[in-house]
Amino acid sequence: EPEVTQTPSHQVTQMGQEVILRCVPISNHLYFYWYRQILGQKVEFLVSFYNNEISEKSEIFDDQFSVERPDGSNFTLKIRSTKLEDSAMYFCASSINNGGRSPLHFGNGTRLTVT
Amino acid sequence: GENVEQHPSTLSVQEGDSAVIKCTYSDSASNYFPWYKQELGKGPQLIIDIRSNVGEKKDQRIAVTLNKTAKHFSLHITETQPEDSAVYFCAALSGGSYIPTFGRGTSLIVHP
Repeated sequence: EPEVTQTPSHQVTQMGQEVILRCVPISNHLYFYWYRQILGQKVEFLVSFYNNEISEKSEIFDDQFSVERPDGSNFTLKIRSTKLEDSAMYFCASSINNGGRSPLHFGNGTRLTVT
Repeated sequence: GENVEQHPSTLSVQEGDSAVIKCTYSDSASNYFPWYKQELGKGPQLIIDIRSNVGEKKDQRIAVTLNKTAKHFSLHITETQPEDSAVYFCAALSGGSYIPTFGRGTSLIVHP
């Protein structure tokens, strides 16, 4: 069964540094998402992406965050200047239609640790 | 926006018992309610979903019920097995958005 893959599985960075989290969505999916999960807390929506542009974003997704689909397969999340509170699991997801018409398929996540 | 409350936060059962996880939502326009299972070290995986035009859906040992009037929906797992141990998340999709809003999760522990 096709899967969403994320790399790296664990990223450690110093406060103030830039990080890029990478995702390869399922190949025939058209909608892409980033969620994050702070340890022990709920899964929080960050941003959705469709047709090469952001379609929806949450309050968490401020100017420090950006997303890009640089080629036909990768979908990246960049955090420009990391803060301690950015430490979390970051999940990429994709869906063939929008989330109300088809389910989201999640990757296994990237654990980001900011020191 | 949509607000989803989920209870309990932790549920411990003996193998073979049933488990029930309950969620409430705030937006009466919500029309799609997926449930996700998250095993240790993995991302959430869809296990069952229900749309607002039906009141119940079953898939082998799992079932979901929806009460639109009361704005709550529940996950039922029968004949639990140790491999059912995981964190379960409910989610709701409001009519004005296609982004699921997740509950806080329920850690289900099934003791052999």
